[in-house]
Amino acid sequence: DTEVTQTPKHLVMGMTNKKSLKCEQHMGHRAMYWYKQKAKKPPELMFVYSYEKLSINESVPSRFSPECPNSSLLNLHLHALQPEDSALYLCASSQVGNTEAFFGQGTRLTVV
Amino acid sequence: DQQVKQNSPSLSVQEGRISILNCDYTNSMFDYFLWYKKYPAEGPTFLISISSIKDKNEDGRFTVFLNKSAKHLSLHIVPSQPGDSAVYFCAASEDNAGNMLTFGGGTRLMVKP
Repeated sequence: DTEVTQTPKHLVMGMTNKKSLKCEQHMGHRAMYWYKQKAKKPPELMFVYSYEKLSINESVPSRFSPECPNSSLLNLHLHALQPEDSALYLCASSQVGNTEAFFGQGTRLTVV
Repeated sequence: DQQVKQNSPSLSVQEGRISILNCDYTNSMFDYFLWYKKYPAEGPTFLISISSIKDKNEDGRFTVFLNKSAKHLSLHIVPSQPGDSAVYFCAASEDNAGNMLTFGGGTRLMVKP
């Protein structure tokens, strides 16, 4: 199994909603990542988890709250988002000590 | 300040010919470089990588060349196939420790039959 699975594929939420994005991998990878990609822009790193601990937070606003409940799962909790947060949110995983990350299909988020 | 740049937003190549995608970087601390391919509505797919201790890495039709002194790398695809049509991202990392990837802006490759 070389897949990173993200759910949902599409999400529309209001600015007062609370929602969560989910990511799952069963490759035994102990590093997991959240990236954000705006249209016609490259992916930008948001968070890195290493051995289920948050190791990098790229100055992301607190309305985005990551969680790594176990070595296979990564969540991104969303609350009080703004329309400019609309983007493709990509999850990735890799072996710790290896930069070759495997990406999921992404969740297309629209904030209305 | 973009640390990884792909100056060609798009490239069109005839099937069977060579595709050359270019990438420049400014951070001299980068020592590991990767190319990703992305189809619409999909996540990026890892293609090939190169460590700064090498100047060339080859995998089938794909070859990546690294010129450290010029802070430049390129991806060669030979022969190009219509299925290669996608957006190609160059990415760089300061160490091969599973840390952050910095992506270039991407080049859209179109391979015409």
